[in-house]
Amino acid sequence: QKEVEQDPGPLSVPEGAIVSLNCTYSNSAFQYFMWYRQYSRKGPELLMYTYSSGNKEDGRFTAQVDKSSKYISLFIRDSQPSDSATYLCAMRSFDAGGTSYGKLTFGQGTILTVHP
Amino acid sequence: GAGVSQSPSNKVTEKGKDVELRCDPISGHTALYWYRQSLGQGLEFLIYFQGNSAPDKSGLPSDRFSAERTGGSVSTLTIQRTQQEDSAVYLCSCAETDTQYFGPGTRLTVL
Repeated sequence: QKEVEQDPGPLSVPEGAIVSLNCTYSNSAFQYFMWYRQYSRKGPELLMYTYSSGNKEDGRFTAQVDKSSKYISLFIRDSQPSDSATYLCAMRSFDAGGTSYGKLTFGQGTILTVHP
Repeated sequence: GAGVSQSPSNKVTEKGKDVELRCDPISGHTALYWYRQSLGQGLEFLIYFQGNSAPDKSGLPSDRFSAERTGGSVSTLTIQRTQQEDSAVYLCSCAETDTQYFGPGTRLTVL
């Protein structure tokens, strides 16, 4: 079983829809949670970063973390065709050494298409 | 203000050949990571450099894979005696604090 599970989709929604993307994880040591967006033939870019349970909002994007259930979500409101991309969840554990930030463990990514 | 650059952008090689992939990180970013992304898969960690510390090589899949980072800046990932299963996109990222910035990747195809 992978440490991070993410439904690969693909997910196709009409413009203006609310999109929900989810990941589950098994490693209790994960403390930091991220969502990356990756356009075709490009590197991933950071969308959201959080380290506590609860919601974090940034414009049309809301990241939700439930550590007790080991479940994270990304919600996209009023989705646009420009949101069409692969969305990757990523997480890492706390590094007590303080001098390094450590590797990220990624889900396999969800392919999202928003059609006009 | 350039971001992370990687070269070549595409590499096609024959099985058994050696390849070198290059990463130029953002100036001043002390942490550098290599990941591999196979078709339809998320990113798989390979190796991590932090300043002058010994690199974390725990993700390298075999001894055919190696990487070095010269002068705390440019990094080279070397794959010896390439196999078809090495075909993937190889991504480099760097970090100054806790946010990793990714390059566009090198798409490696082993025939």
